[in-house]
Amino acid sequence: QKEVEQNSGPLSVPEGAIASLNCTYSDRGSQSFFWYRQYSGKSPELIMFIYSNGDKEDGRFTAQLNKASQYVSLLIRDSQPSDSATYLCAVGRWAGGGNKLTFGTGTQLKVEL
Amino acid sequence: DAGVIQSPRHEVTEMGQEVTLRCKPISGHDYLFWYRQTMMRGLELLIYFNNNVPIDDSGMPEDRFSAKMPNASFSTLKIQPSEPRDSAVYFCASSLDRGNYGYTFGSGTRLTVV
Repeated sequence: QKEVEQNSGPLSVPEGAIASLNCTYSDRGSQSFFWYRQYSGKSPELIMFIYSNGDKEDGRFTAQLNKASQYVSLLIRDSQPSDSATYLCAVGRWAGGGNKLTFGTGTQLKVEL
Repeated sequence: DAGVIQSPRHEVTEMGQEVTLRCKPISGHDYLFWYRQTMMRGLELLIYFNNNVPIDDSGMPEDRFSAKMPNASFSTLKIQPSEPRDSAVYFCASSLDRGNYGYTFGSGTRLTVV
């Protein structure tokens, strides 16, 4: 079992729709959860992070965390073609004094006109 | 803020050659991470440093890989000898606050070993 699992996609949604991206993780000791966006040929860039169960909203993005189910999701409202990218889920665990992030392999999102 | 700076952007080398990748973290960031990204395995953590000291190198694939951080503004990842299976994009990232608020990635080095 992979430590962080994501459906590779592609997930296709029409412009203006809500995109829902999901992630599960295996380590119950994980303490922090991150979503990164990566455009083709570019580096990952942080969208948002969440530490507590529930929802966290930032503009068009909402992260949802359910530690009991070991499940993290990212909702993108009013999806735009510029949102087309690969979305990486990362799970953090403190180790050696630092927050060590383990990444999923990503879900490719395509927002269609 | 210039961000995390990596060099070179692209490197093509022959099998058996030594390869050195370079990274300059964001000023003031005290954590530095080296990751490798491939299509099959995604992003894998190789090693990370805190205040220039290697903390966890459990992800370094084998003895051919080594990393150093001689000062707060510079780190290197060296592969000697290189093999075709080392072909990947290598990212350096840095962070404050132990990485609790995520990392900032550099633009990466695309390594091709032929």
